[in-house]
Amino acid sequence: AQTVTQSQPEMSVQEAETVTLSCTYDTSESDYYLFWYKQPPSRQMILVIRQEAYKQQNATENRFSVNFQKAAKSFSLKISDSQLGDAAMYFCAYRSRGSSNTGKLIFGQGTTLQVKP
Amino acid sequence: GAVVSQHPSWVICKSGTSVKIECRSLDFQATTMFWYRQFPKQSLMLMATSNEGSKATYEQGVEKDKFLINHASLTLSTLTVTSAHPEDSSFYICSASPPPDKRGEKLFFGSGTQLSVL
Repeated sequence: AQTVTQSQPEMSVQEAETVTLSCTYDTSESDYYLFWYKQPPSRQMILVIRQEAYKQQNATENRFSVNFQKAAKSFSLKISDSQLGDAAMYFCAYRSRGSSNTGKLIFGQGTTLQVKP
Repeated sequence: GAVVSQHPSWVICKSGTSVKIECRSLDFQATTMFWYRQFPKQSLMLMATSNEGSKATYEQGVEKDKFLINHASLTLSTLTVTSAHPEDSSFYICSASPPPDKRGEKLFFGSGTQLSVL
């Protein structure tokens, strides 16, 4: 079974600075997707960034980028130029890609990010 | 982008009553929908996978007789919490999966339902 681990329950960053959230996962599969979701106080789940395991190039979305290390099973999220609106709970998630999979997401424990003005 | 509508946003009920939560995919057909439960400051826990036209698949430890899931159409799945008790109070979130050939794309989430059982 696949597992996702986020070892940082809480992180803090100064506005305009850079912060990195860690995520590791365990799987025996070779083809899968990894995601970072943001959950602000409204509790609406918002997709931040997505990585396909077969792609070596790290995904980027504006101020958000990932460091995907497949061999190490590591998938960290870097937020540059942090903004007050980035304050939220962030979840790392795994999704199998095989044809028999249901498409369900397996979430990590979450990291609460505080942005200080 | 695609939208998943979840209703109600919050519900308060008396202990022993049943509550139904609806999850609708508004502009795509969702053959599979997922139901999650989230306690304060914790992660999302998958409760069950709902497949259109067939029985739901429940995760280990989730009582299928207590959490009834129906997925009668390609755009609607419902979760009914039967004989609710205070320990069932939680935030419930649904999500809808795109077709298999687009599974790598977004998994769309509803806005969640806060259930409070008195």
